[in-house]
Amino acid sequence: AQTVTQSQPEMSVQEAETVTLSCTYDTSESDYYLFWYKQPPSRQMILVIRQEAYKQQNATENRFSVNFQKAAKSFSLKISDSQLGDAAMYFCAYRSALETSGSRLTFGEGTQLTVNP
Amino acid sequence: DGGITQSPKYLFRKEGQNVTLSCEQNLNHDAMYWYRQDPGQGLRLIYYSQIVNDFQKGDIAEGYSVSREKKESFPLTVTSAQKNPTAFYLCASSIRVEAFFGQGTRLTVV
Repeated sequence: AQTVTQSQPEMSVQEAETVTLSCTYDTSESDYYLFWYKQPPSRQMILVIRQEAYKQQNATENRFSVNFQKAAKSFSLKISDSQLGDAAMYFCAYRSALETSGSRLTFGEGTQLTVNP
Repeated sequence: DGGITQSPKYLFRKEGQNVTLSCEQNLNHDAMYWYRQDPGQGLRLIYYSQIVNDFQKGDIAEGYSVSREKKESFPLTVTSAQKNPTAFYLCASSIRVEAFFGQGTRLTVV
């Protein structure tokens, strides 16, 4: 079974600065997807960024980028130019590429990000 | 607008009672999921369904039941056998890679 671990329960960053959230995972599969989801106080889950394991290039979405290290099974999220609206709980998630897995997501425990003005 | 609708937003249940949480989607997605969220534990999968009239247990299915009679609907019943049902429940659907989530139901046992 796959597991996802987020070792930072809480992080804080000053507005306009950069912060990196860590995520490690364990799997025996070679093809899979990784995601970062954001959950603001409204509790709506919002997809921030995704990475396909077969792609060597790190995904980027505006101020959000990832550092995907497949051999190390590491998938960190970097938020640049942090904004007050980035304050939220962030979840790392894993999804197998196998059709038999049912497209289910396995989540980490989450990291609560605070942005200080 | 297309999306996933969960109702109600807040639900209170007396101990020993069954309660059903609603999840409806108009995205035409085949797959639907129920997750439970507790503080410090992330989201855990309760049940999922890849197609109408078929569903599978997730990691914490004990005390829960589901049905999938229509593509659009995937209701979750929290039975009296669930020992600690107070939690936040999220429904999701997916097509291909990305999953979309509803806004959740907060269930409290009183």
